Amino acid sequence: DADVTQTPRNRITKTGKRIMLECSQTKGHDRMYWYRQDPGLGLRLIYYSFDVKDINKGEISDGYSVSRQAQAKFSLSLESAIPNQTALYFCATSDGGDGTDTQYFGPGTRLTVL
Amino acid sequence: EDKVVQSPLSLVVHEGDTVTLNCSYEVTNFRSLLWYKQEKKAPTFLFMLTSSGIEKKSGRLSSILDKKELFSILNITATQTGDSAVYLCAGAGGTSYGKLTFGQGTILTVHP
Repeated sequence: DADVTQTPRNRITKTGKRIMLECSQTKGHDRMYWYRQDPGLGLRLIYYSFDVKDINKGEISDGYSVSRQAQAKFSLSLESAIPNQTALYFCATSDGGDGTDTQYFGPGTRLTVL
Repeated sequence: EDKVVQSPLSLVVHEGDTVTLNCSYEVTNFRSLLWYKQEKKAPTFLFMLTSSGIEKKSGRLSSILDKKELFSILNITATQTGDSAVYLCAGAGGTSYGKLTFGQGTILTVHP
């Protein structure tokens, strides 16, 4: 079984709809991240969480919100989706206590907003 | 604001060629530089570099960091079609482990 899973894997929605993307991990890591990927722009950080009670904005948090329901679960919401939020979204985890910066990624969610 | 820049943005080669991918960074309180490979799916970890001048090697891939000039290179020798992917580098710094700033990525295409 994959260590980091994301649901759904693909989603098509309409402008103005509320969308939730979910991420679960079995790696036992405290730290979780949400990124979006657009062609030519690499991975840009949306939100990150270093533990259940710690949520931080990344470089592009406008239009997004998150919820850390448990150590293993981190959800990303688009309250009112717009077409320029069409992108590939990745969840990632890291173990801040191991003295490394390595992140491990989920398979991604391809979101299309019409 | 931290910044990571990769070059070239895309590269087309033939099997057997050697390629060098570049990554320059400006990261406050720099701690490490990471390389990932992405093949139409999730990025997978290749290397993490923390010390200047020490080469990390895995098969035909190798990488080195220059902390004085603030850059890293990823070399791939005897390229194969399976090396075709997006290669991402990311910088880490600050007081908390795990938060990364990614570059734009280099799209490598290897033709038979």
